[in-house]
Amino acid sequence: EADIYQTPRYLVIGTGKKITLECSQTMGHDKMYWYQQDPGMELHLIHYSYGVNSTEKGDLSSESTVSRIRTEHFPLTLESARPSHTSQYLCASSGLAGDTQYFGPGTRLTVL
Amino acid sequence: SQKIEQNSEALNIQEGKTATLTCNYTNYSPAYLQWYRQDPGRGPVFLLLIRENEKEKRKERLKVTFDTTLKQSLFHITASQPADSATYLCALDISGHTGFQKLVFGTGTRLLVSP
Repeated sequence: EADIYQTPRYLVIGTGKKITLECSQTMGHDKMYWYQQDPGMELHLIHYSYGVNSTEKGDLSSESTVSRIRTEHFPLTLESARPSHTSQYLCASSGLAGDTQYFGPGTRLTVL
Repeated sequence: SQKIEQNSEALNIQEGKTATLTCNYTNYSPAYLQWYRQDPGRGPVFLLLIRENEKEKRKERLKVTFDTTLKQSLFHITASQPADSATYLCALDISGHTGFQKLVFGTGTRLLVSP
């Protein structure tokens, strides 16, 4: 069982609200990632981080932002949620290059 | 264009048989290829990693092959069990030995093992 946690697991929220999805890992991994996955579709990388104070945008354009102030913590924020943001958001971390990625359980976000 | 193809239709097999899942890719030169298992509503779980210079890798009932000429990987589960029912994802590491792992995922193949 991977030591990577995401909260909340499920979130239903109205349009225009600001939300933060939490992701924490206790493995001391430098690299962390956020993916977006729609039902039956592939995972798309939206943000990643090499380490503290390092964040990069992924392949899929996203209106969300991330921060990496502590090694173990990689929160994702949406300033103004819209129905198009409805999706599953998966956080992951990895150690050495070529190592496996460890995924959290995901947050299923629904914006009404 | 770059893409990864996995069987979009579910694979139905009987318990005890060998399941074979296919991953084909175009226009990538991956340093590594990984297979993950994903259960409904959960995050993917790593199963096996195979490097570009390896032909085959085994782990218990699992076997993966990697043919960089054909640009294909095959994933086998022998003596399949109902508990093996899940979606299996193929992921290419396209970081190119940069020191940062960048995975590109296929859509996955759903495996259903009947008792």
